[in-house]
Amino acid sequence: DAGVTQSPTHLIKTRGQQVTLRCSPISGHKSVSWYQQVLGQGPQFIFQYYEKEERGRGNFPDRFSARQFPNYSSELNVNALLLGDSALYLCASSLMGPSNTEAFFGQGTRLTVV
Amino acid sequence: GDSVTQMEGPVTLSEEAFLTINCTYTATGYPSLFWYVQYPGEGLQLLLKATKADDKGSNKGFEATYRKETTSFHLEKGSVQVSDSAVYFCALVSGNTPLVFGKGTRLSVIA
Repeated sequence: DAGVTQSPTHLIKTRGQQVTLRCSPISGHKSVSWYQQVLGQGPQFIFQYYEKEERGRGNFPDRFSARQFPNYSSELNVNALLLGDSALYLCASSLMGPSNTEAFFGQGTRLTVV
Repeated sequence: GDSVTQMEGPVTLSEEAFLTINCTYTATGYPSLFWYVQYPGEGLQLLLKATKADDKGSNKGFEATYRKETTSFHLEKGSVQVSDSAVYFCALVSGNTPLVFGKGTRLSVIA
């Protein structure tokens, strides 16, 4: 079985641009969460979606948005990129709702803003 | 709010040495506790977990015991290998909250 897949694996953007990151959860998993991991730090929660509805949002500005599709895949959008948005963006899928008891992570998307 | 504090690294050990990485937490309610591992260039992998007090999680020779009285979940391994070199994250989830991670501890094992 395929694990959590994220695309792209790496990308470079310029300040002010917009970026869309994609995540496909494990088959059968209905919950997707997004985390930002800045170099040398632990992952920070951005969003959680369950059954296509937003179930949680971390302390991130409105430039960050996300959605979940009927097939449970998800996109994370970041507008007006800043240098500080450079990070590894991790997607996690879990079978059930917001408890995240069994979260499985993808390889991440490495975003560099120049 | 909920938080996790890990010992700062990096930790450098010789092969076959004993490993301890300390982790303490602050949480409302009764959290579930986790250790995740991140190998270079990769995402996070769940290493082990414990869901209630006095539970011991174990996997691949690593183990950690959920200590409610000391709010701790220290990671241990009796004999580390070079292949254990990675960054280790302690994390918790409480109720409907998302995972809360510590800052991570980098382990380097030298032959």
